Amino acid sequence: DIVMTQSPDSLAVSLGERATINCKSSQSVLYSSNSKNYLGWYQQKPGQPPKLLISWASTRESGVPDRFTGSGSGTDFTLTISNLQAEDVAVYYCQQYYNSPPMYTFGQGTKLEIK
Amino acid sequence: QVQLVQSGAEVKKPGASVKISCKASGYIFINYAMHWLRQAPGQSFEWMAWINPANGAPTFSQKFQGRVTITRDTSASTAYMELSSLRFEDTAAYYCARGPVTGNFDLWGQGTLVTVSS
Repeated sequence: DIVMTQSPDSLAVSLGERATINCKSSQSVLYSSNSKNYLGWYQQKPGQPPKLLISWASTRESGVPDRFTGSGSGTDFTLTISNLQAEDVAVYYCQQYYNSPPMYTFGQGTKLEIK
Repeated sequence: QVQLVQSGAEVKKPGASVKISCKASGYIFINYAMHWLRQAPGQSFEWMAWINPANGAPTFSQKFQGRVTITRDTSASTAYMELSSLRFEDTAAYYCARGPVTGNFDLWGQGTLVTVSS
């Protein structure tokens, strides 16, 4: 099974500063057939379902502020949140798709707080 | 409004079954796969299965094969997930989520808390 490992487990960042969350996959999620990384990032606030922020490793979903940036390829990915706002306090998850057998695997989550 | 609305919280005894509904609105139900995932308290997410609403064909995670049944009613734009032989460790929030077969989940239900308790 593919394992997704996020780091750190938690971090505290000052308002207006930058937060960086890493996600490492135990095997590549880059599909050579279409050169796409099957990796997404979600934000989950307490008592709410997750919200998809980034798909295909770096494509921001409609309505997501451009403070959120996804990068990386293959096995190593990063979610960067610039100019941190109070409303960004949440747990962030990465998620990959694998096709044989079909499996969708999440990282363990990174809890982001305000310092 | 594009949304998924799930049925309410459930409390079940070990060995029982639970069936959760997920009603879609605001989009064409048969055009998107419907996935089922769960999140145990304080934990990450676990994908369970998905169904093709157009033809009803299910695909299961190997972990849940044989214990999960997923169906849909296209006339009601509603998907269902039934989990049988419940164990204490099945206590979790269960989510339906819309998404392509190959990729990420762009629309989620509000979640249904299932508590397994004797």
